[in-house]
Amino acid sequence: KQEVTQIPAALSVPEGENLVLNCSFTDSAIYNLQWFRQDPGKGLTSLLLIQSSQREQTSGRLNASLDKSSGRSTLYIAASQPGDSATYLCAVSSGNNRLAFGKGNQVVVIP
Amino acid sequence: DAGVTQSPTHLIKTRGQHVTLRCSPISGHKSVSWYQQVLGQGPQFIFQYYEKEERGRGNFPDRFSARQFPNYSSELNVNALLLGDSALYLCASSFKPGLAGGRGTGELFFGEGSRLTVL
Repeated sequence: KQEVTQIPAALSVPEGENLVLNCSFTDSAIYNLQWFRQDPGKGLTSLLLIQSSQREQTSGRLNASLDKSSGRSTLYIAASQPGDSATYLCAVSSGNNRLAFGKGNQVVVIP
Repeated sequence: DAGVTQSPTHLIKTRGQHVTLRCSPISGHKSVSWYQQVLGQGPQFIFQYYEKEERGRGNFPDRFSARQFPNYSSELNVNALLLGDSALYLCASSFKPGLAGGRGTGELFFGEGSRLTVL
């Protein structure tokens, strides 16, 4: 069974600092890895999708890396803004479109 | 283009009642999945449907059931509600299981969820 862990569970950073969010998974036989953003009480917004054959994906200030052999992914958010405050969820697919989620990184960006 | 739409957005039920939640996938998407998210936890997989057939079931009791209609919309039904069923129920759509959708292969798109409170 795939287990996904996200560390730290919560963090606060001053505006302008770079954010580094970590995700680890136990089974390296993954199909893809997806990072989501969730605002309180809301649904999930897809941020980045990394295929198992890829090492990273970038979108604007966001960059996600994948090291499948070590079971790790990192989401970098450059020059954080108060609007980046949210919970970030890492999810791993093993090819059947079922996602195994971590509990999330709750981020607060302090103005 | 409309994203994944879910209804109702919020509902309150009492123990023992049943509930039906509805989901319309993104136009052109044929696969729908359901997830349960309890407060403070990541979403947990409940069901996946593709072309009206169940393609996967998570570790949930038989009180949970679902179906997919010819227009690819879906319903999630929960019978004999328990307090522990209180959660955000999320629907996700993709083109088809494991293959192309959106910006990349296998990408899932989620709706805003249905917040169920069981008293």
